[in-house]
Amino acid sequence: DMKVTQMPRYLIKRMGENVLLECGQDMSHETMYWYRQDPGLGLQLIYISYDVDSNSEGDIPKGYRVSRKKREHFSLILDSAKTNQTSVYFCASSFTGTFNERLFFGHGTKLSVL
Amino acid sequence: GDSVTQTEGLVTLTEGLPVMLNCTYQTIYSNPFLFWYVQHLNESPRLLLKSFTDNKRTEHQGFHATLHKSSSSFHLQKSSAQLSDSALYYCALDQGGRALIFGTGTTVSVSP
Repeated sequence: DMKVTQMPRYLIKRMGENVLLECGQDMSHETMYWYRQDPGLGLQLIYISYDVDSNSEGDIPKGYRVSRKKREHFSLILDSAKTNQTSVYFCASSFTGTFNERLFFGHGTKLSVL
Repeated sequence: GDSVTQTEGLVTLTEGLPVMLNCTYQTIYSNPFLFWYVQHLNESPRLLLKSFTDNKRTEHQGFHATLHKSSSSFHLQKSSAQLSDSALYYCALDQGGRALIFGTGTTVSVSP
């Protein structure tokens, strides 16, 4: 069953707290992504991971870091969360990350930073 | 840098009428891949259709789009909208094999 799973689905944090968003996939995909979705801004790429410990900044990496120690897991970490990081975060994966490839998205994590 | 422009933020229409969502792009690559993703309420984005070939119509689930490199466009169309077409639609461009760059999205609202 091809699936990208994100945990948690909803999260409320206070400003300054640390946040950990988890993502898993069961398709042995090499490439994984973190996007954030904001109204009027669309989906913006935060980080891309080409494989274990092979991560690259996306278009809006500031304030975020990632960890990929196993191919099937990709974590997004917010150290000292800020209110402007309130958003919906989507994890996605693709087989190799080459063009023409379909992205498989998780269901998203809605993060509210108060 | 590469970019995707979707000019309509919200499109409202009556069931049965045609739909056209605009998408234009800028890229340095001569052979871009263009995609349309659809996201229904409380769901994740999923691929609707994609194209690589210039001037060739691509169809899926009643929607169609044609990549026109001469005008850098990849508009999405459907001849007759259904209530179930209400969703958020993203046009996306492959960044030369790095990652997809998405437009800002167009919300389609179809009413009876």
